[in-house]
Amino acid sequence: AQTVTQSQPEMSVQEAETVTLSCTYDTSESDYYLFWYKQPPSRQMILVIRQEAYKQQNATENRFSVNFQKAAKSFSLKISDSQLGDAAMYFCACTSRDDKIIFGKGTRLHILP
Amino acid sequence: DGKVTQSSRYLVKRTGEKVFLECVQDMDHENMFWYRQDPGLGLRLIYFSYDVKMKEKGDIPEGYSVSREKKERFSLILESASTNQTSMYLCASSLMGASGYEQYFGPGTRLTVT
Repeated sequence: AQTVTQSQPEMSVQEAETVTLSCTYDTSESDYYLFWYKQPPSRQMILVIRQEAYKQQNATENRFSVNFQKAAKSFSLKISDSQLGDAAMYFCACTSRDDKIIFGKGTRLHILP
Repeated sequence: DGKVTQSSRYLVKRTGEKVFLECVQDMDHENMFWYRQDPGLGLRLIYFSYDVKMKEKGDIPEGYSVSREKKERFSLILESASTNQTSMYLCASSLMGASGYEQYFGPGTRLTVT
């Protein structure tokens, strides 16, 4: 069975600092995608960043970047220059069969002013 | 940008009531999903639909059914609500095929069953 594991239920970071959220996954698929989704308090879940497994280059989106280690099945999210608006629940996810996605249990990120 | 809307943000129902949660998307997406979100458990897939009148069970379908009569609308039905179905329910949609497409989420419905 496919699994996505986020080992940090909660994290805190000082505003303007850098923080890394960890994620490991297990899949038997040869072709898959990995995602980080953000769910701000009382707001909709949105996609932060996507990585195609066959691409070696790590994806980046402005202050957000990933460290994708395919052999280790690791997919961490780095947030640089943390801002108050980055406070949210972050979910790591991996595609499964038939367009479905398996989500991790989430990491709640607090930004300290 | 397109939207996924859910009929209610908050809902309070009594045990044994039949409950309908509605979800509508305006992006012409083939796939639609219903998830349940509970603290410490993440998102768990209840049902999935990849076409009108087509449905597939997810990981936790017990106690739920779904209906998709039109492409843009996907309904989640609790036939007889129970207190253990108190939760946040999220609807999502995506394009079909090439599974790298992102899922677009609605704002969620927080259901309380008393």
